[in-house]
Amino acid sequence: EVQLVESGGGLVKPGGSLRLSCAASGFTFSSYSMNWVRQAPGKGLEWVSSISSSSSYIYYADSVKGRFTISRDNAKNSLYLQMNSLRAEDTAVYYCARRDYGDYVLDYWGQGTLVTVSS
Amino acid sequence: QSALTQPRSVSGSPGQSVTISCTGTSSDVGGYNYVSWYQQHPGKAPKLMIYDVSKRPSGVPDRFSGSKSGNTASLTISGLQAEDEADYYCCSYAGSYTSLYVFGTGTKVTVL
Repeated sequence: EVQLVESGGGLVKPGGSLRLSCAASGFTFSSYSMNWVRQAPGKGLEWVSSISSSSSYIYYADSVKGRFTISRDNAKNSLYLQMNSLRAEDTAVYYCARRDYGDYVLDYWGQGTLVTVSS
Repeated sequence: QSALTQPRSVSGSPGQSVTISCTGTSSDVGGYNYVSWYQQHPGKAPKLMIYDVSKRPSGVPDRFSGSKSGNTASLTISGLQAEDEADYYCCSYAGSYTSLYVFGTGTKVTVL
């Protein structure tokens, strides 16, 4: 069974940093591209970042480019999101999501971790 | 890239059909056959219901169907059931380095 479990969320002050993790199991993690998607309270979904299976290709939304860094450790079956210079508008539930092999669909999602940026 | 446009809400009685539209542009919905639909219950993670415009993942009831015409995709729920009450989001691959995926604004489905 595919499982994605996020962790690392919490309360942080504006300008602060936080590192999110996503532990993957139930599939060959090193074969899949992975993504971060976020959802502000009461709002819709927003794609944040994507990383290819071997970390060769990395993409960011304009809203986080230069502040967030996506990475992965295939030996540890883990995905990460380093978030720096956090702003109030970064407050959201952050989901990690797997991109299906050979397709572009985000087929499995974790349960999410809440990041709150507030003084 | 702007969010895809969905109606804020739709409603129907049990057994009826409802259709949710998702309007984008030729750079997203109209440019790729990679439209997916997600169901989200309050406090839960999104669940994939339709992918590649009209394909259903294993385990998703065939009451859910998808289609696309031009820059607009649609999700139809036939034989509406109480458990279908949720938020629904469309999503399209957009292929841009800074906008790889674009999501819809979301639609609240209410079962009367």
